[in-house]
Amino acid sequence: QVQLVQSGAEVKKPGASVKVSCKASGYTFTSYDIYWVRQATGQGLEWMGWMNPNSGNTGYTQKFQGRVTMTRNTSISTAYMELSSLRSEDTAVYYCARSLSNTMDVWGQGTTVTVSS
Amino acid sequence: DIQMTQSPSSLSASVGDRVTITCRASQGISNYLVWYQQKPGKVPKLLIYAASTLHSGVPSRFSGSGSGTDFTLTISSLQPEDVAIYYCQKCNSAPFTFGPGTKVDIK
Repeated sequence: QVQLVQSGAEVKKPGASVKVSCKASGYTFTSYDIYWVRQATGQGLEWMGWMNPNSGNTGYTQKFQGRVTMTRNTSISTAYMELSSLRSEDTAVYYCARSLSNTMDVWGQGTTVTVSS
Repeated sequence: DIQMTQSPSSLSASVGDRVTITCRASQGISNYLVWYQQKPGKVPKLLIYAASTLHSGVPSRFSGSGSGTDFTLTISSLQPEDVAIYYCQKCNSAPFTFGPGTKVDIK
């Protein structure tokens, strides 16, 4: 079945970087964009950006410009989201999702990133 | 950037009630509007895309309407399993901003 499986929870210190992976299966990885969304505890959903796995093209919201990098490894059908210069406000669950016509129809299970000294 | 708002922020209704949630875009987005449902402790799920098209497997008691700046999500007969937060999201062009969400629970 179509699924996205994300890497496990991370605990990082302020100023560090985190790299979350998202492995796709059950469909052709390069045929759908991958979006990243985050959700702080008790808060709403925040769209971070997108990546086209075929071309490697990316687009990030202004809030994360300069701190986020979205990449992929097509040989293993895996997308990555790296967020640098972490601060406590980055503590959240990070989701990857498959996008068809800008609609997220399949989501990963989420990766909890905790930023704490 | 286009901003998305939702009302109400929360509601409580009885089983069987008709429930309506409103989503408003600060500028026209045609029908490029998606609704997601997030049950407590769970991953968001796609409910409706293109403002009114039900995603596969979604119960027919859910429906969506609207175009331009004003959209609605309707649950025709609220069920206990519909307790969730409902988010709208614009999908015409990046950034694909979400609304703040509407929490629905049972009275």
